[in-house]
Amino acid sequence: AQRVTQPEKLLSVFKGAPVELKCNYSYSGSPELFWYVQYSRQRLQLLLRHISRESIKGFTADLNKGETSFHLKKPFAQEEDSAMYYCALKPGGYNKLIFGAGTRLAVHP
Amino acid sequence: DAGVTQSPTHLIKTRGQQVTLRCSPKSGHDTVSWYQQALGQGPQFIFQYYEEEERQRGNFPDRFSGHQFPNYSSELNVNALLLGDSALYLCASSDGSGNTIYFGEGSWLTVV
Repeated sequence: AQRVTQPEKLLSVFKGAPVELKCNYSYSGSPELFWYVQYSRQRLQLLLRHISRESIKGFTADLNKGETSFHLKKPFAQEEDSAMYYCALKPGGYNKLIFGAGTRLAVHP
Repeated sequence: DAGVTQSPTHLIKTRGQQVTLRCSPKSGHDTVSWYQQALGQGPQFIFQYYEEEERQRGNFPDRFSGHQFPNYSSELNVNALLLGDSALYLCASSDGSGNTIYFGEGSWLTVV
């Protein structure tokens, strides 16, 4: 079965604290993995994709095939990082996304 | 470029009615997908259109149907609405590679 699991509905941290949003996936092939973010009153937008191995807004994510995880990390959270974060999997050969339920990140001053 | 645009933004329908939602893809994109996002959940893939044909379909009943026009815009139709169809309906567009998928702001459907 193809599935994405985000175990935390809400992650609450203080400004400057490290952040790790967890994502685990179930997929038998080689997946493409993404993190999408939705800020308040804005559309869903791409934050990171694993094939790019880039850092966006200080966030990084590493694909761990052994643990089937793609956790999103940031060393020092900012208040403007407060948003809904969705982990998504794109099955090989298909142009569609399978999303997790999302984690709300709340960064307090 | 306005990106992916959807209409209407909000609508209320009665159980048993039919609804049509519309989507214009980002300029240069020829593939349109529709997702349903229920409250508290992530988006779920409904189906995808390419070259005016349904190319992939998720686990949704036949009450959900769609169409793609020659200008790549798309419609999502839902017949015999149920209370459980109340959700945010998202349109997403991409080019043939699917390397980047862009989303619209969505259409909020409430079924009463």
